[in-house]
Amino acid sequence: RKEVEQDPGPFNVPEGATVAFNCTYSNSASQSFFWYRQDCRKEPKLLMSVYSSGNEDGRFTAQLNRASQYISLLIRDSKLSDSATYLCVVIYGGSQGNLIFGKGTKLSVKP
Amino acid sequence: DTAVSQTPKYLVTQMGNDKSIKCEQNLGHDTMYWYKQDSKKFLKIMFSYNNKELIINETVPNRFSPKSPDKAHLNLHINSLELGDSAVYFCASSPTAGTGRENEQFFGPGTRLTVL
Repeated sequence: RKEVEQDPGPFNVPEGATVAFNCTYSNSASQSFFWYRQDCRKEPKLLMSVYSSGNEDGRFTAQLNRASQYISLLIRDSKLSDSATYLCVVIYGGSQGNLIFGKGTKLSVKP
Repeated sequence: DTAVSQTPKYLVTQMGNDKSIKCEQNLGHDTMYWYKQDSKKFLKIMFSYNNKELIINETVPNRFSPKSPDKAHLNLHINSLELGDSAVYFCASSPTAGTGRENEQFFGPGTRLTVL
């Protein structure tokens, strides 16, 4: 089983749609969780951290389910500019420990 | 501009050559990393340095040797390049431990290496 798994997509959605991505991780000792965004031929950039209580940043909501070992990202009211690959990142081993990236889920928002 | 910068942006070379990629960050971060993103877009950590000291060294051929002259620089030297080394190499840095943001990665723009 891969350490961090994501549905590669692509998810093709119309503008204004709500879309959700899931990410599962295999190491139960994982401590920190993030979503990154990577545009085509660009570097990844932090989108948001994922906290146990769930957190929201504008149209984006991240959730963590430790019991089932998955995290999710919900995007409401999709914009064309949301088109990108969304990378799930799981960290274990303490501060500045081992970072494991998922392969990413590609989102394409159409007019 | 405060950022992580890498040079060169593109590198095309023949098999068997030795090449280096340079990375600099002016964010005042203590930790720097090298990642490899292959053709399937899988991003994998290669090395991590904290204050010039190696802290993570994943299973990477010893043809790859990182060098950190100071905490703002982490260069990657690759000997005897192979076809399979073709990928995008990203440098990254992260804030000091204890800031609460020490696992946040700030990436450079990447170096696209093509080995012919």
